[in-house]
Amino acid sequence: QKEVEQDPGPLSVPEGAIVSLNCTYSNSAFQYFMWYRQYSRKGPELLMYTYSSGNKEDGRFTAQVDKSSKYISLFIRDSQPSDSATYLCAMSAERSGGTYKYIFGTGTRLKVLA
Amino acid sequence: GAVVSQHPSRVICKSGTSVKIECRSLDFQATTMFWYRQFPKKSLMLMATSNEGSKATYEQGVEKDKFLINHASLTLSTLTVTSAHPEDSSFYICSAPRMYGYTFGSGTRLTVV
Repeated sequence: QKEVEQDPGPLSVPEGAIVSLNCTYSNSAFQYFMWYRQYSRKGPELLMYTYSSGNKEDGRFTAQVDKSSKYISLFIRDSQPSDSATYLCAMSAERSGGTYKYIFGTGTRLKVLA
Repeated sequence: GAVVSQHPSRVICKSGTSVKIECRSLDFQATTMFWYRQFPKKSLMLMATSNEGSKATYEQGVEKDKFLINHASLTLSTLTVTSAHPEDSSFYICSAPRMYGYTFGSGTRLTVV
């Protein structure tokens, strides 16, 4: 079983739709949860960062973490064509020596149609 | 905000040659730099961690002699792909840890012909 599972998509939605992107994970030690957006042929950029369970909102984006279910989500409201990109979830846990284990999902490719 | 500049963005090289990829932290000091490889429709795969002033730490299965990493200063880390082969063709990305998450370079598309 992979430590982090993410549906690769592609996910196509009409402009203005609410998008829900999700990841599940198996390691209960993960403490930090992040969502990155990656445009084609570019490096990922950090969108949202959450620690432990709960919700975090930033403009049209809401990140949700449910540690009991080992499930994280990213919601995009009023989606725009410029939101078309690959969205990667990532999570980390502290490991011995003070370093962090950092795992990425495969990414979900999102297309917002005008 | 924190920026990591990665160069070159694209490179095509002949099989057997070496290619150097540079990552510079522009407005902060990066004592640590992570190097990733990304295949199409696959997740980022951590190759190695470079630390300023000490030897890099390589992930299991990554050839140290093939992927040479140098972190000579607090603002520069380099990855050299030595004796490149077509199977080394990939998207290479560096990233520096920040307090919240990582700052990524823009990536280097390497094509070995």
